[in-house]
Amino acid sequence: GESVGLHLPTLSVQEGDNSIINCAYSNSASDYFIWYKQESGKGPQFIIDIRSNMDKRQGQRVTVLLNKTVKHLSLQIAATQPGDSAVYFCAENLNLGGNTPLVFGKGTRLSVIA
Amino acid sequence: GAVVSQHPSWVICKSGTSVKIECRSLDFQATTMFWYRQFPKQSLMLMATSNEGSKATYEQGVEKDKFLINHASLTLSTLTVTSAHPEDSSFYICSARLGTGGYGYTFGSGTRLTVV
Repeated sequence: GESVGLHLPTLSVQEGDNSIINCAYSNSASDYFIWYKQESGKGPQFIIDIRSNMDKRQGQRVTVLLNKTVKHLSLQIAATQPGDSAVYFCAENLNLGGNTPLVFGKGTRLSVIA
Repeated sequence: GAVVSQHPSWVICKSGTSVKIECRSLDFQATTMFWYRQFPKQSLMLMATSNEGSKATYEQGVEKDKFLINHASLTLSTLTVTSAHPEDSSFYICSARLGTGGYGYTFGSGTRLTVV
């Protein structure tokens, strides 16, 4: 199930199940979005990205869905594995062509139960 | 692929001292680097944008005199935490932009700063 802690919500899933992690982004003008995985004590690791002219993109075991109407982004992980346990962040960028930074969402901790 | 090397990975310093964190782009030139700070169980918060050869742009609430950023070359940006205090203890992460696309944002491995 999903619980909201003091700072970081946690999603617990059984190994082999599919995981869905949600993110609400802030700026309707953002045109590029990325999902990152962060393990303890490490920097963010790229998972998948999507541009605002798309509403779905698939990678290996992962799918990102974008709903611009409600400014919502989701990451679906198929057949979740123990190695998927980490914190997941969505990030948005206002201008794909310029040197603008990424703005990160609050993050969700994924805990995979073996 | 594009790699950003960040050093040190962890540092412990006494209150009142200064600490320098380095961020190097190893196989590309980074005209712009970004510095983030991350407190436990929280997200990455942008501190500043570092531009090669010019002054950094700081986010609101980040003290530029306390967090000195130098980007003197296309492959090196440094963040110096001056007169560190325990509340500066955090995980600092740098990032560089390379072209467009997801791989265009590459991140360092982070520096865990503990001020005692």
